[in-house]
Amino acid sequence: AQKVTQAQTEISVVEKEDVTLDCVYETRDTTYYLFWYKQPPSGELVFLIRRNSFDEQNEISGRYSWNFQKSTSSFNFTITASQVVDSAVYFCALSEGGGFQKLVFGTGTRLLVSP
Amino acid sequence: DTEVTQTPKHLVMGMTNKKSLKCEQHMGHRAMYWYKQKAKKPPELMFVYSYEKLSINESVPSRFSPECPNSSLLNLHLHALQPEDSALYLCASRDHWTQYTDTQYFGPGTRLTVL
Repeated sequence: AQKVTQAQTEISVVEKEDVTLDCVYETRDTTYYLFWYKQPPSGELVFLIRRNSFDEQNEISGRYSWNFQKSTSSFNFTITASQVVDSAVYFCALSEGGGFQKLVFGTGTRLLVSP
Repeated sequence: DTEVTQTPKHLVMGMTNKKSLKCEQHMGHRAMYWYKQKAKKPPELMFVYSYEKLSINESVPSRFSPECPNSSLLNLHLHALQPEDSALYLCASRDHWTQYTDTQYFGPGTRLTVL
């Protein structure tokens, strides 16, 4: 069975600090897909990134970067120079192979960025 | 354009009422999803429609009845709900061409309160 663990329930930082959100996953499939979504207080889940299991390349997008390591089953997310607008709940999710992309979410990490 | 719209934004209903939630997308996506999210919890999959056919029902009680009248529209009919059904109901859509690249895009959700 698949599982996603986000051990950090809540993180508080001051603006301009760097912060890393951890995500550890479990799956028996050799083909799987990993995602990060952001959920601001308004409630909408905003897609940030997806990674396929056969693509371990790390990615940087502006202040955001992702570190995918199959050896440790981790897909961590770093925000550089955090801003107040980054305050939200961040979910890591996993989908195994198969046509319907059933997402299994971690429990989420609430990030509070104070001025 | 990756917009998924949901109406209404908020809904309050009694346990004997019948109401419907509506989700719409005009991205040509052929897979649509309903999720339920309780406060401080991750989203949980309820239903998946693929090419307008119900493909997955995650053992959801029959008081929730999904409907997909066409490829752009997804409804969730509610009847005889319980107070514990109060939650944020999220709709998502996905291309369904290939799981190597496509991603679920979420709507803003409907906050449902059952009195």
